[in-house]
Amino acid sequence: SQQGEEDPQALSIQEGENATMNCSYKTSINNLQWYRQNSGRGLVHLILIRSNEREKHSGRLRVTLDTSKKSSSLLITASRAADTASYFCATVGPGTYKYIFGTGTRLKVLA
Amino acid sequence: NAGVTQTPKFRVLKTGQSMTLLCAQDMNHEYMYWYRQDPGMGLRLIHYSVGEGTTAKGEVPDGYNVSRLKKQNFLLGLESAAPSQTSVYFCASRLYGGQGNYEQYFGPGTRLTVT
Repeated sequence: SQQGEEDPQALSIQEGENATMNCSYKTSINNLQWYRQNSGRGLVHLILIRSNEREKHSGRLRVTLDTSKKSSSLLITASRAADTASYFCATVGPGTYKYIFGTGTRLKVLA
Repeated sequence: NAGVTQTPKFRVLKTGQSMTLLCAQDMNHEYMYWYRQDPGMGLRLIHYSVGEGTTAKGEVPDGYNVSRLKKQNFLLGLESAAPSQTSVYFCASRLYGGQGNYEQYFGPGTRLTVT
């Protein structure tokens, strides 16, 4: 399988704390994206980082990318109960239309 | 603007029955995708389409067929359902990649159980 892997599989934190989740992938990429999935719902796009970028910010989200290690991390600062969801990374290879998703991290933010 | 819609939301099939899942998008997106999501497996690509009249295989295409006769619709068919096809199916679409638009928009999913 070409699926990426994410760790941790599950994460439980208190409201106000930061949450960090990691994604590793196997092949070269054009870009890497992070998506959020609330229970029983479709995925929602959060942020995209291109292969020539090392860090990107969007609101309380910070994404880093290390192509030499084939890994990325997503940091959510000052977590809120509403951030409780599953988070997935997805990679797009050069010259391809396909997305390869990671296995996801389940985040629970306790109020 | 409804975005991406999927029909039906839930379905129970007996082994050997057939069915078609419908995905519709009103955003004039060129690319459309069908995924299945199983516990602990993330999303796996079944088939995809880069334009009206075109389809291609993804990672797990066996047992499924697709058609894209109209730009706004992408149909996923199961000719002879098997218990291994019990899953949640998601459709997604995105703009033509030439503008660097890689964001996928997802439908709400179809929960399929095959007994």
